[in-house]
Amino acid sequence: AQSVSQHNHHVILSEAASLELGCNYSYGGTVNLFWYVQYPGQHLQLLLKYFSGDPLVKGIKGFEAEFIKSKFSFNLRKPSVQWSDTAEYFCAVNARGDYKLSFGAGTTVTVRA
Amino acid sequence: GAVVSQHPSRVICKSGTSVKIECRSLDFQATTMFWYRQFPKKSLMLMATSNEGSKATYEQGVEKDKFLINHASLTLSTLTVTSAHPEDSSFYICSAGRTSGSSYEQYFGPGTRLTVT
Repeated sequence: AQSVSQHNHHVILSEAASLELGCNYSYGGTVNLFWYVQYPGQHLQLLLKYFSGDPLVKGIKGFEAEFIKSKFSFNLRKPSVQWSDTAEYFCAVNARGDYKLSFGAGTTVTVRA
Repeated sequence: GAVVSQHPSRVICKSGTSVKIECRSLDFQATTMFWYRQFPKKSLMLMATSNEGSKATYEQGVEKDKFLINHASLTLSTLTVTSAHPEDSSFYICSAGRTSGSSYEQYFGPGTRLTVT
C-alpha cells in the first residue's frame, strides 16, 4: 500500500508571498498524484493532477506542482498567494490501475491580508 | 460537469439510532463510489469502496455491520450508520469515480456532519 506525507502542518503567509508545500509518497510502482484544496466550509476540489508526461503540471488558480520521481515527491507551488488561498491542502496518491486514493494529513495554509 | 451531492449536510441524532447519508452523482454515472471519514484537523480516511450492484469493500478496521453501504444505482450510494454512538460523530465525505480518457478521477461531495448526542 502507498502512504503520503506532507511536511508542513500549518503554514502562515502574507499576501504576495510564495508558497511551497511538500509532499512525499512511498510506493514502489507507478503512481498517479493529486493535490486537492478544501476551502473553509466547502468540499474538496481538485487543484491539479499528474498521470504521465511533463512532470511539471499546472493547475487551477495559478498553482503548479512538480513530480520528481527520484525523490518520490510532488511539491505544490504558487509564486504569489492571495488571501483567498486560505484553505486546507491535501496531497493524494493512487497506484496506477487502482482507484483508491491515499491522502496526506493535509496542510493548513493561512494567508494574512 | 462531475457534480456530486450529499444529503443531509448536517444531522444530529441520538445515541442508538441509525442515520442514512445519501451520495449522488448528478451529471454522470459512477460504477464506483467511495466513502471517507474526516476527523478534525486530520486527513481523509477511506472507509469503503462502493460498487454498483455488488457488496462494498471495506477498509481494515471499519465495521461493515455498523457502516452499511448500498449502491443500488449508477448515481446513488448510501451510507447508514447503525446504532450510532458519540464516537461516530464525524464528517463523512463521499466521492464518485469517473474515467476520463486514460485517467480516472474522484469527484467529492460536500460532506455530511454527523453529531451523535
